[in-house]
Amino acid sequence: DGGITQSPKYLFRKEGQNVTLSCEQNLNHDAMYWYRQDPGQGLRLIYYSQIVNDFQKGDIAEGYSVSREKKESFPLTVTSAQKNPTAFYLCASSMQGAFNQPQHFGDGTRLSIL
Amino acid sequence: DAKTTQPTSMDCAEGRAANLPCNHSTISGNEYVYWYRQIHSQGPQYIIHGLKNNETNEMASLIITEDRKSSTLILPHATLRDTAVYYCIVGGKLIFGQGTELSVKP
Repeated sequence: DGGITQSPKYLFRKEGQNVTLSCEQNLNHDAMYWYRQDPGQGLRLIYYSQIVNDFQKGDIAEGYSVSREKKESFPLTVTSAQKNPTAFYLCASSMQGAFNQPQHFGDGTRLSIL
Repeated sequence: DAKTTQPTSMDCAEGRAANLPCNHSTISGNEYVYWYRQIHSQGPQYIIHGLKNNETNEMASLIITEDRKSSTLILPHATLRDTAVYYCIVGGKLIFGQGTELSVKP
């Protein structure tokens, strides 16, 4: 089945530690996105990538980093510079980029600070 | 991006049609209307989108008024699994408002 796979489902981070969230898609989509969702809130865009080897900052990129070395993979690193990382992280993809296509989401990763 | 207005909550009996309204009076001529839903603790799910014509897919129908200032998402035969928060979005950027919390009851 085609889709987006995020792992792990739950992740715990110690203070001062970097963690990387995985996102893989087998939909052959060009564009991929990372969002953060806090309880009772909407989505906030962290980073997006319209094509391999290219990505742009979203609205809340500080404290995060990404890479897009392969079309199917768009990992997100939450660095120690992100002071409030506890949230629900969602990865999405669309056929083409720049927000003009429907986006398809993974099941998310819940990150908590120990 | 244009703003949308949706009722906070709605109830629907199982098996009946659920009609979810959305106002988007400031929509621009080239902006699409998108509908997504989010079931608790899961990622959002794309439902349907349209520009000016009515659209139908295996999940739902989308009715857009002629002036494009409002639209209605129709789930023709709601089931308990359709209980979720439904978001109407204009333009491509996913700025989720409060959405409509739909409760489908037996």
